[in-house]
Amino acid sequence: DIQLTQSPSFLSASVGDRVTITCRASQGISSYLAWYQQKPGKAPRLLIYAASTLQSGVPSRFSGSGSGTEFTLAISSLQPEDFATYYCQQLNSYPWTFGQGTKVEIK
Amino acid sequence: EVQLVESGGGLVKPGGSLRLSCAASGFTFSNYIMNWVRQAPGKGLEWVSSISSTSTYIYYADSVRGRFTTSRDNAKNSLYLQMNSLRAEDTAVYYCARKYSSVDYWGQGTLVTVSS
Repeated sequence: DIQLTQSPSFLSASVGDRVTITCRASQGISSYLAWYQQKPGKAPRLLIYAASTLQSGVPSRFSGSGSGTEFTLAISSLQPEDFATYYCQQLNSYPWTFGQGTKVEIK
Repeated sequence: EVQLVESGGGLVKPGGSLRLSCAASGFTFSNYIMNWVRQAPGKGLEWVSSISSTSTYIYYADSVRGRFTTSRDNAKNSLYLQMNSLRAEDTAVYYCARKYSSVDYWGQGTLVTVSS
């Protein structure tokens, strides 16, 4: 199975900060990586797919990059509504796997 | 508007069974791979199962293989998860989700609690 390791697991930041979250895969997954945002009690929301393609309706302050084994989600200017937990997911091969999550909290 | 609505969750004793349903609307259900993903209380996301558009291919996580069965009825725009031999560690919110280029729409989830 492909393991995904996100770092950091927890991030404390202020409104307006640029934040980056990294997702490392245990083997190459080309660009078959997605990023989700989840708020408490809600379903995950797709932000980025194919490593760098912004999902329709997602603000342009979100961006994704990477291929192979290392990927990054960046938020250019953190907004109050961005405080949430973020997950990466690989869809290269079954079983699909998720990273353990990165919780972004207000500093 | 795309909608995925799960139902069938509840409290069940260890060793018991439950059948989850997911009613889809607002898109051509038969064109999409459909999936189940779960989330234990306070934990991360775990992929459970995927089923191809015509049910030709069905995949399961090791943790549920042999106990869970995924099926779909394209005429009824519905996805199902039959869960047998339930264990305490199956306690989670179960989401159905569709995939085309990626997993882009998720239901609101249904809570399954396995406890005596």
